[in-house]
Amino acid sequence: KQEVTQIPAALSVPEGENLVLNCSFTDSAIYNLQWFRQDPGKGLTSLLLIQSSQREQTSGRLNASLDKSSGRSTLYIAASQPGDSATYLCAVFEYGNKLVFGAGTILRVKS
Amino acid sequence: DTGVSQDPRHKITKRGQNVTFRCDPISEHNRLYWYRQTLGQGPEFLTYFQNEAQLEKSRLLSDRFSAERPKGSFSTLEIQRTEQGDSAMYLCASSLKRDTEAFFGQGTRLTVV
Repeated sequence: KQEVTQIPAALSVPEGENLVLNCSFTDSAIYNLQWFRQDPGKGLTSLLLIQSSQREQTSGRLNASLDKSSGRSTLYIAASQPGDSATYLCAVFEYGNKLVFGAGTILRVKS
Repeated sequence: DTGVSQDPRHKITKRGQNVTFRCDPISEHNRLYWYRQTLGQGPEFLTYFQNEAQLEKSRLLSDRFSAERPKGSFSTLEIQRTEQGDSAMYLCASSLKRDTEAFFGQGTRLTVV
């Protein structure tokens, strides 16, 4: 059974700092991996999708990497801003049909 | 198109009552998913549709839960005889096809009292 773990569970940083969120998964036979952002009480906003054949994907200040062989992905956020404060969720695509999520990393960026 | 839409956003119900939630996916997306999220956890898969066919159901989906997607458009999730343990955020997502980017709605927050 696929298990997804996110470290750290919570992170507090000063504004402007670069940071890395980690995601690990137990079964490397995944298809794709997707990072999401969730604001309190809201739904999920897609940030980046990394296809299994890719090693990284970039969008603005966000960069996500994927290493299937080691079962790891990282989300790098450059020059963090208070508006980046949210929960960040990592999810892997199991055999085409459903996403398996980690519990998330709660990020707080202090101004 | 403004994305995945869910209705209602919040629902408070008494234990034992039936509730129904609606999800309208992005119009050209033929895959539709339901997830459930409890506080402090990531979403958990419940079921998914390809067009009108329900292709997979999680063991989390007890006999009290039923989902439909008539004509491959909107979907409904019904919970019969609600229990306090059903209290959660119910999230709907859609994707264009298999293994493509999933887009989520704002969710329906269910509170069973």
